[in-house]
Amino acid sequence: DGGITQSPKYLFRKEGQNVTLSCEQNLNHDAMYWYRQDPGQGLRLIYYSQIVNDFQKGDIAEGYSVSREKKESFPLTVTSAQKNPTAFYLCASSILSGGYNEQFFGPGTRLTVL
Amino acid sequence: DQQVKQNSPSLSVQEGRISILNCDYTNSMFDYFLWYKKYPAEGPTFLISISSIKDKNEDGRFTVFLNKSAKHLSLHIVPSQPGDSAVYFCAASERGGSNYKLTFGKGTLLTVNP
Repeated sequence: DGGITQSPKYLFRKEGQNVTLSCEQNLNHDAMYWYRQDPGQGLRLIYYSQIVNDFQKGDIAEGYSVSREKKESFPLTVTSAQKNPTAFYLCASSILSGGYNEQFFGPGTRLTVL
Repeated sequence: DQQVKQNSPSLSVQEGRISILNCDYTNSMFDYFLWYKKYPAEGPTFLISISSIKDKNEDGRFTVFLNKSAKHLSLHIVPSQPGDSAVYFCAASERGGSNYKLTFGKGTLLTVNP
């Protein structure tokens, strides 16, 4: 079954600790994305990557970092510099062809910083 | 500055009736529009899309209408079913752009009452 997996589903961390969220896809998609959702808000883009070893900042990249060492994987690190890290984090992927960039989403990770 | 706006945070309809969800955009460069459905604590699921060269696209119970002059699109669900109860996000992109980014609205919570 092709799809996007995110782990874990729920994550708790103490304030001041860095935490890495996992995202893996077996859809052979070129592009991968990280979004954050807060209550009553839409999805806001954190980082995206169109090719291995390259990534771009989205609208709210401060306090986050990513890597793209493999096509299938796009982990997101929430650093201690992120002022409001508690949120629902969503990973997505898409092909890069013809501009029709329908994005497929993973199930999400709920991060709670105590 | 919100480029994609869903001005109704919530909508309640009776089972069997029509649900109409609305979306407005301000960026005239947007030329591809998508609707996603999201259940709580899950990732969004792609529903239907429309290119700016069309004014209507239909898929089963779901129809999306695009009015380019008004920069407005709507999603019609007929007939509405209780399982349609979810948050619906409108998203837009520039197909000619190089970054394949999607810009999301804040979502509309649809409740279909039995």
